[in-house]
Amino acid sequence: EDQVTQSPEALRLQEGESSSLNCSYTVSGLRGLFWYRQDPGKGPEFLFTLYSAGEEKEKERLKATLTKKESFLHITAPKPEDSATYLCAVQAKDSSYKLIFGSGTRLLVRP
Amino acid sequence: NAGVTQTPKFRILKIGQSMTLQCTQDMNHNYMYWYRQDPGMGLKLIYYSVGAGITDKGEVPNGYNVSRSTTEDFPLRLELAAPSQTSVYFCASSYQGLFGETQYFGPGTRLLVL
Repeated sequence: EDQVTQSPEALRLQEGESSSLNCSYTVSGLRGLFWYRQDPGKGPEFLFTLYSAGEEKEKERLKATLTKKESFLHITAPKPEDSATYLCAVQAKDSSYKLIFGSGTRLLVRP
Repeated sequence: NAGVTQTPKFRILKIGQSMTLQCTQDMNHNYMYWYRQDPGMGLKLIYYSVGAGITDKGEVPNGYNVSRSTTEDFPLRLELAAPSQTSVYFCASSYQGLFGETQYFGPGTRLLVL
């Protein structure tokens, strides 16, 4: 069964304190792994897509990496505006483009 | 482009009432999806559509119905509302390609069934 597990459930950082969020996945053939940001009361906002092990993508203070079993979202020198829930999702090759989501990591960055 | 729009933003229903959640996208995407998100949980797929006239069940379809008569619109119907359907509902759309394609989400509809 396709499955996505995110850790930690919640993370509190001081402004400028770098850290990483983890997304472990089990899927029968990966088509793509997606990272989304979700602010309270809003829909998920697309951040990155990763397709193959070894791939990396960056956007401002965020960097996503992918291995055969997990993905990391590295946050470098975070700011309070980076506070949000970060969702990871996978798409299997035989899935008709359906996404399987993890339960998310709630990030709070304090000034 | 407005992207994916959803109405209403919030609704309270009584047990047994019916309602339709509206979803429209203006990106000419062929795929559309309905998800529900319960507190502290990830999104669960309810129904999806690969094009006008074609729909299929996701993980949690019971208690819901959909239709897709146009490329732009994908309404979700609740026939007999139950407290278990209290949730936040998100519509999404994507364009099918060779690789995994990005799904773009609407702002959500918050539903409370009492």
